[in-house]
Amino acid sequence: QVQLQESGPGLVKPSQTLSLTCTVSGGSISSGSYYWSWIRQPAGKGLEWIGRIYTSGSTNYNPSLKSRVTISVDTSKNQFSLKLSSVTAADTAVYYCARRTGYYGSGSYFTGEAFDIWGQGTMVTVSS
Amino acid sequence: EIVLTQSPGTLSLSPGERATLSCRASQSVSSSYLAWYQQKPGQAPRLLIYGASSRATGIPDRFSGSGSGTDFTLTISRLEPEDFAVYYCQQYGSSSWTFGQGTKVEIK
Repeated sequence: QVQLQESGPGLVKPSQTLSLTCTVSGGSISSGSYYWSWIRQPAGKGLEWIGRIYTSGSTNYNPSLKSRVTISVDTSKNQFSLKLSSVTAADTAVYYCARRTGYYGSGSYFTGEAFDIWGQGTMVTVSS
Repeated sequence: EIVLTQSPGTLSLSPGERATLSCRASQSVSSSYLAWYQQKPGQAPRLLIYGASSRATGIPDRFSGSGSGTDFTLTISRLEPEDFAVYYCQQYGSSSWTFGQGTKVEIK
């Protein structure tokens, strides 16, 4: 089955750029109509969606982070990546990659969508 | 941006009891775009419910979702020891996803 794995530095200095990669295994990132997202969670707090990418390269970002976020995809490596610039301590969090799936009933009737597969998460600390 | 408000913040219950969790949206949400997740300490969230009421693959039938418009509910009919966790609702709208702040279900 499809699995996701985040990787990247666990420590980033303030004002620098946070860079993470999510590797998709057990299936092709290009197969099916999936969106690939980044979501983060500060310690003891809730979940915040950062942005998503489709394998065509089309992206959408959280308006509150849009000016600092870039998400890209490398289909040849079965990976997608996150770059978050000008980081501060407020960006310290566990970062998850996740797959968004659409669900369809009989007759291809759309019934819902959700993040059905998540990576285990990677902790990123912003500190000098 | 649609804001999701979950209540209560913490629910203290005993195994075998019924849990009712609420998720209220600041504006109407299409039921197709409302989902619920369970998260245990140190783990990634796990999808429970999509489309407001459809259980994800492998989710026990003691979990059920309902609601429409601005009010949605996750019900756990009889709490099992493994159900004590934090639960999040999530919605999609205007090319963006938002999550509620979570409800913690703890052992009484």
